[in-house]
Amino acid sequence: DTGVSQDPRHKITKRGQNVTFRCDPISEHNRLYWYRQTLGQGPEFLTYFQNEAQLEKSRLLSDRFSAERPKGSFSTLEIQRTEQGDSAMYLCASSLQSHPGDEQYFGPGTRLTVT
Amino acid sequence: SQKIEQNSEALNIQEGKTATLTCNYTNYSPAYLQWYRQDPGRGPVFLLLIRENEKEKRKERLKVTFDTTLKQSLFHITASQPADSATYLCALEWRDDKIIFGKGTRLHILP
Repeated sequence: DTGVSQDPRHKITKRGQNVTFRCDPISEHNRLYWYRQTLGQGPEFLTYFQNEAQLEKSRLLSDRFSAERPKGSFSTLEIQRTEQGDSAMYLCASSLQSHPGDEQYFGPGTRLTVT
Repeated sequence: SQKIEQNSEALNIQEGKTATLTCNYTNYSPAYLQWYRQDPGRGPVFLLLIRENEKEKRKERLKVTFDTTLKQSLFHITASQPADSATYLCALEWRDDKIIFGKGTRLHILP
Protein backbone atom coordinates (compact mmCIF):
# COMPACT_ATOMS: atom_id res chain seq x y z
CA ASP A 1 0.00 0.00 0.00
CA THR A 2 1.62 3.23 -1.20
CA GLY A 3 -0.78 5.52 0.63
CA VAL A 4 -2.55 6.61 -2.57
CA SER A 5 -6.13 5.39 -2.68
CA GLN A 6 -8.56 5.23 -5.58
CA ASP A 7 -12.27 4.69 -5.60
CA PRO A 8 -13.96 2.68 -6.93
CA ARG A 9 -11.59 -0.17 -7.67
CA HIS A 10 -13.86 -1.52 -10.37
CA LYS A 11 -16.58 0.12 -12.42
CA ILE A 12 -18.84 -1.47 -15.00
CA THR A 13 -20.96 0.93 -16.99
CA LYS A 14 -23.04 0.95 -20.13
CA ARG A 15 -21.91 2.82 -23.19
CA GLY A 16 -23.06 6.44 -23.11
CA GLN A 17 -23.07 6.78 -19.32
CA ASN A 18 -20.86 9.19 -17.40
CA VAL A 19 -18.40 7.91 -14.81
CA THR A 20 -16.33 9.66 -12.17
CA PHE A 21 -13.31 8.29 -10.37
CA ARG A 22 -11.71 9.63 -7.22
CA CYS A 23 -8.08 9.69 -6.14
CA ASP A 24 -6.77 10.54 -2.68
CA PRO A 25 -3.02 11.20 -2.83
CA ILE A 26 -0.49 11.05 -0.02
CA SER A 27 -1.42 14.07 2.06
CA GLU A 28 1.75 16.13 1.76
CA HIS A 29 2.20 15.48 -1.96
CA ASN A 30 1.63 18.53 -4.13
CA ARG A 31 1.60 16.79 -7.50
CA LEU A 32 -1.11 14.47 -8.70
CA TYR A 33 -1.12 12.59 -12.00
CA TRP A 34 -3.71 10.62 -13.95
CA TYR A 35 -2.80 7.82 -16.35
CA ARG A 36 -4.65 5.27 -18.42
CA GLN A 37 -3.27 1.77 -18.89
CA THR A 38 -4.52 -0.85 -21.29
CA LEU A 39 -3.47 -4.49 -21.36
CA GLY A 40 0.13 -5.00 -22.37
CA GLN A 41 0.90 -1.29 -22.43
CA GLY A 42 2.62 1.07 -20.05
CA PRO A 43 0.74 3.87 -18.29
CA GLU A 44 -0.31 6.62 -20.70
CA PHE A 45 -0.11 10.12 -19.22
CA LEU A 46 -3.40 12.03 -19.23
CA THR A 47 -3.01 15.09 -17.02
CA TYR A 48 -1.44 16.39 -13.85
CA PHE A 49 -1.91 18.96 -11.11
CA GLN A 50 0.46 21.03 -9.03
CA ASN A 51 -1.65 21.69 -5.97
CA GLU A 52 -5.02 22.76 -7.43
CA ALA A 53 -3.61 24.01 -10.76
CA GLN A 54 -3.98 21.71 -13.75
CA LEU A 55 -0.69 22.21 -15.56
CA GLU A 56 -1.18 19.93 -18.54
CA LYS A 57 -4.41 18.80 -20.08
CA SER A 58 -3.68 18.70 -23.78
CA ARG A 59 -3.00 14.98 -23.51
CA LEU A 60 -6.42 14.14 -22.17
CA LEU A 61 -7.78 11.68 -24.70
CA SER A 62 -10.75 13.72 -25.82
CA ASP A 63 -13.03 16.48 -24.62
CA ARG A 64 -15.11 13.79 -22.93
CA PHE A 65 -12.36 13.54 -20.31
CA SER A 66 -11.97 16.11 -17.57
CA ALA A 67 -10.21 16.25 -14.23
CA GLU A 68 -10.37 18.46 -11.17
CA ARG A 69 -8.47 18.92 -7.96
CA PRO A 70 -10.55 21.59 -6.29
CA LYS A 71 -8.68 22.14 -3.04
CA GLY A 72 -5.34 20.72 -3.94
CA SER A 73 -6.07 17.49 -2.12
CA PHE A 74 -8.17 14.74 -3.73
CA SER A 75 -8.85 14.67 -7.45
CA THR A 76 -11.60 13.39 -9.70
CA LEU A 77 -11.46 12.16 -13.28
CA GLU A 78 -14.71 12.21 -15.22
CA ILE A 79 -15.45 10.51 -18.50
CA GLN A 80 -18.63 11.60 -20.19
CA ARG A 81 -20.58 9.53 -22.73
CA THR A 82 -18.36 6.51 -22.23
CA GLU A 83 -17.35 4.39 -25.20
CA GLN A 84 -16.16 0.78 -25.29
CA GLY A 85 -12.67 2.03 -26.12
CA ASP A 86 -12.55 3.74 -22.74
CA SER A 87 -12.32 0.34 -21.02
CA ALA A 88 -8.96 0.37 -19.26
CA MET A 89 -7.25 0.75 -15.90
CA TYR A 90 -7.14 4.35 -14.72
CA LEU A 91 -4.20 5.04 -12.45
CA CYS A 92 -3.56 7.95 -10.16
CA ALA A 93 -0.13 8.84 -8.79
CA SER A 94 1.21 11.53 -6.49
CA SER A 95 4.64 12.96 -5.81
CA LEU A 96 6.18 15.44 -3.45
CA GLN A 97 8.28 17.04 -6.18
CA SER A 98 10.71 18.45 -3.65
CA HIS A 99 13.33 17.62 -6.26
CA PRO A 100 12.71 17.45 -10.01
CA GLY A 101 12.05 13.92 -11.18
CA ASP A 102 10.90 12.74 -7.75
CA GLU A 103 9.33 9.33 -7.81
CA GLN A 104 5.63 8.89 -8.20
CA TYR A 105 3.54 6.79 -5.86
CA PHE A 106 0.77 5.01 -7.68
CA GLY A 107 -2.62 3.99 -6.39
CA PRO A 108 -4.14 0.56 -7.09
CA GLY A 109 -6.13 1.87 -10.05
CA THR A 110 -9.77 1.87 -11.10
CA ARG A 111 -10.62 -0.76 -13.69
CA LEU A 112 -13.34 0.52 -16.03
CA THR A 113 -15.38 -1.82 -18.20
CA VAL A 114 -17.75 -0.24 -20.69
CA THR A 115 -20.35 -2.66 -22.04
CA SER B 1 7.57 12.02 -31.83
CA GLN B 2 9.38 10.57 -28.87
CA LYS B 3 9.45 6.77 -28.72
CA ILE B 4 10.50 4.33 -26.03
CA GLU B 5 11.29 0.69 -26.65
CA GLN B 6 11.81 -1.91 -23.94
CA ASN B 7 13.75 -4.87 -25.20
CA SER B 8 11.43 -7.78 -25.29
CA GLU B 9 7.93 -8.41 -24.14
CA ALA B 10 9.06 -11.25 -21.90
CA LEU B 11 12.35 -12.43 -20.49
CA ASN B 12 13.03 -15.79 -18.79
CA ILE B 13 16.02 -15.93 -16.47
CA GLN B 14 17.26 -18.75 -14.27
CA GLU B 15 17.17 -18.09 -10.55
CA GLY B 16 20.48 -16.75 -9.25
CA LYS B 17 21.50 -15.24 -12.58
CA THR B 18 21.55 -11.55 -13.47
CA ALA B 19 18.55 -10.22 -15.36
CA THR B 20 19.26 -7.31 -17.72
CA LEU B 21 16.42 -5.24 -19.14
CA THR B 22 16.83 -2.59 -21.81
CA CYS B 23 15.10 0.74 -22.37
CA ASN B 24 15.90 2.57 -25.61
CA TYR B 25 14.54 5.93 -26.66
CA THR B 26 14.61 8.24 -29.66
CA ASN B 27 15.12 11.96 -30.07
CA TYR B 28 15.89 14.05 -27.03
CA SER B 29 17.43 12.61 -23.91
CA PRO B 30 15.26 12.94 -20.82
CA ALA B 31 16.36 14.78 -17.72
CA TYR B 32 15.34 11.81 -15.56
CA LEU B 33 14.82 8.15 -16.17
CA GLN B 34 12.97 5.97 -13.69
CA TRP B 35 12.34 2.26 -13.38
CA TYR B 36 9.16 0.86 -11.88
CA ARG B 37 7.94 -2.61 -11.04
CA GLN B 38 4.34 -3.59 -11.69
CA ASP B 39 2.61 -6.74 -10.49
CA PRO B 40 -0.63 -7.96 -12.12
CA GLY B 41 -3.65 -5.89 -11.13
CA ARG B 42 -1.61 -3.36 -9.16
CA GLY B 43 -0.15 0.08 -9.75
CA PRO B 44 3.55 0.52 -10.59
CA VAL B 45 6.02 0.78 -7.71
CA PHE B 46 9.05 3.06 -7.98
CA LEU B 47 12.46 1.36 -7.90
CA LEU B 48 15.23 3.70 -9.05
CA LEU B 49 15.78 7.15 -10.56
CA ILE B 50 18.80 8.17 -12.60
CA ARG B 51 19.52 11.69 -13.81
CA GLU B 52 20.92 12.69 -17.20
CA ASN B 53 24.31 13.58 -15.71
CA GLU B 54 24.61 10.24 -13.91
CA LYS B 55 26.03 7.11 -15.45
CA GLU B 56 25.05 4.51 -12.87
CA LYS B 57 22.88 4.06 -9.77
CA ARG B 58 22.68 1.12 -7.41
CA LYS B 59 20.24 -0.02 -4.78
CA GLU B 60 20.73 -3.37 -3.11
CA ARG B 61 20.54 -5.97 -5.94
CA LEU B 62 19.44 -3.39 -8.50
CA LYS B 63 21.64 -1.38 -10.84
CA VAL B 64 20.65 1.14 -13.49
CA THR B 65 22.88 2.66 -16.15
CA PHE B 66 22.10 5.61 -18.40
CA ASP B 67 23.97 6.27 -21.64
CA THR B 68 22.76 9.42 -23.39
CA THR B 69 25.04 8.74 -26.36
CA LEU B 70 23.44 5.36 -27.02
CA LYS B 71 20.06 6.69 -25.83
CA GLN B 72 19.74 3.67 -23.62
CA SER B 73 19.23 2.63 -20.03
CA LEU B 74 20.00 -0.84 -18.70
CA PHE B 75 18.37 -2.24 -15.59
CA HIS B 76 20.07 -5.14 -13.84
CA ILE B 77 18.82 -7.42 -11.10
CA THR B 78 21.63 -9.53 -9.68
CA ALA B 79 21.14 -12.84 -7.85
CA SER B 80 17.60 -12.95 -9.24
CA GLN B 81 14.84 -14.65 -7.26
CA PRO B 82 11.40 -15.95 -8.27
CA ALA B 83 9.92 -13.05 -6.24
CA ASP B 84 11.51 -10.67 -8.76
CA SER B 85 9.08 -11.94 -11.41
CA ALA B 86 7.00 -8.95 -12.52
CA THR B 87 6.68 -6.40 -15.30
CA TYR B 88 9.34 -3.71 -15.26
CA LEU B 89 8.61 -0.31 -16.76
CA CYS B 90 10.98 2.47 -17.68
CA ALA B 91 9.69 6.03 -17.56
CA LEU B 92 11.32 9.06 -19.11
CA GLU B 93 10.71 12.58 -17.87
CA TRP B 94 11.84 15.79 -19.52
CA ARG B 95 12.34 19.20 -17.91
CA ASP B 96 8.98 20.37 -19.23
CA ASP B 97 7.41 17.64 -17.05
CA LYS B 98 6.50 15.53 -20.06
CA ILE B 99 6.47 11.87 -18.98
CA ILE B 100 6.37 8.78 -21.15
CA PHE B 101 6.33 5.17 -19.95
CA GLY B 102 7.57 2.21 -21.95
CA LYS B 103 5.37 -0.83 -22.53
CA GLY B 104 7.30 -2.83 -19.99
CA THR B 105 9.16 -6.11 -20.00
CA ARG B 106 7.66 -9.17 -18.27
CA LEU B 107 10.40 -10.86 -16.33
CA HIS B 108 10.07 -14.49 -15.26
CA ILE B 109 12.64 -15.88 -12.85
CA LEU B 110 12.65 -19.64 -13.19
CA PRO B 111 13.37 -21.69 -10.05
